[in-house]
Amino acid sequence: KNEVEQSPQNLTAQEGEFITINCSYSVGISALHWLQQHPGGGIVSLFMLSSGKKKHGRLIATINIQEKHSSLHITASHPRDSAVYICAVRWTDMRFGAGTRLTVKP
Amino acid sequence: DAMVIQNPRYQVTQFGKPVTLSCSQTLNHNVMYWYQQKSSQAPKLLFHYYDKDFNNEADTPDNFQSRRPNTSFCFLDIRSPGLGDAAMYLCATSRENDEQYFGPGTRLTVT
Repeated sequence: KNEVEQSPQNLTAQEGEFITINCSYSVGISALHWLQQHPGGGIVSLFMLSSGKKKHGRLIATINIQEKHSSLHITASHPRDSAVYICAVRWTDMRFGAGTRLTVKP
Repeated sequence: DAMVIQNPRYQVTQFGKPVTLSCSQTLNHNVMYWYQQKSSQAPKLLFHYYDKDFNNEADTPDNFQSRRPNTSFCFLDIRSPGLGDAAMYLCATSRENDEQYFGPGTRLTVT
């Protein structure tokens, strides 16, 4: 069983919709990362969290340490948000979720 | 300004022909990582350098080697590439166990 589980695997939304991607993990961690990977491969780090909530523009990330759960929210989604979003946790090393492929249609 | 640079972005090599991928960073981070990512899969850590200390993952094949001649540069050497080694190779850096900064990746094709 993967230590990091993401849901959904695939998500299609209409432009403007509010989007939530979930991440659950089964190990004690020191930090959780949300990453964005566009077609072509480059990965961008969106957030690193160890508690609470962070906001950057239209992106919000929350983490509940007790429940071992994190969510990434995108408000007012746009087609340029289309990408794979990856949750990764720092345990003994970095463990990655399988990613959520988001497609935002105009 | 680019912070983690990978060269080349696309590399084609022949089966069994050694290939070297390069990563450089302008962040002065002490930790550098190499990941392998196959199509539709999560990145898989191959190894990392903590300063000059090399840390190999247990399941990284011997075919993969790495060099870090100085803080700024790290190389991934694939001694005898097989068809199964075709993948995106991602370099990342961090200061201690802080946030990782990823390069754009090198897509390796093996013919």
